[in-house]
Amino acid sequence: GAVVSQHPSWVICKSGTSVKIECRSLDFQATTMFWYRQFPKQSLMLMATSNEGSKATYEQGVEKDKFLINHASLTLSTLTVTSAHPEDSSFYICSASPYGEASYNEQFFGPGTRLTVL
Amino acid sequence: AQSVTQPDIHITVSEGASLELRCNYSYGATPYLFWYVQSPGQGLQLLLKYFSGDTLVQGIKGFEAEFKRSQSSFNLRKPSVHWSDAAEYFCAGDTGGFKTIFGAGTRLFVKA
Repeated sequence: GAVVSQHPSWVICKSGTSVKIECRSLDFQATTMFWYRQFPKQSLMLMATSNEGSKATYEQGVEKDKFLINHASLTLSTLTVTSAHPEDSSFYICSASPYGEASYNEQFFGPGTRLTVL
Repeated sequence: AQSVTQPDIHITVSEGASLELRCNYSYGATPYLFWYVQSPGQGLQLLLKYFSGDTLVQGIKGFEAEFKRSQSSFNLRKPSVHWSDAAEYFCAGDTGGFKTIFGAGTRLFVKA
């Protein structure tokens, strides 16, 4: 149980285009979903937290107009990288939690999406 | 400031040898603590977690970790390493506000 999928697993796009990454919880309802960014050989940096039906909460320094997050249902969150540039190339990982903020915070991670912007 | 520190960037152990990966945390209160493993190009898999209670936590794949409040540590151990254990290991802490802080990670190399 507690499986999270991401699609696509990798994507290459041209500079200036937008890319959408999907994160789905397959066997549970995700009250909260998270988006992380991981640079090569570095740790995960939380980009934003989203709760179903409400606006995402972005971490300091993350451009909300560049990284659009939508959590329209309890099983799906999307991250859209708008007007992508080479510096946006990274490994993006989502995670999901079936619990609300008041509960203990176990997250289930997706396999990640490798984005390369040419 | 809250932080999770993994002092070792990489560690090499021989197959069959024991393993200990270090993790120290700095929080005002005892956080929830986690160890994750990440294989190349993959997401994170939870090995074990500590919330409260018994300070020796058993996880999957033969891993265990011991919470030591006096040392602010949560070190990961395995008595006998297998070649398939080669991966990146992340320690993480969370005080309950969904602000998980990850350590920088320790890359484990296993030599035959």
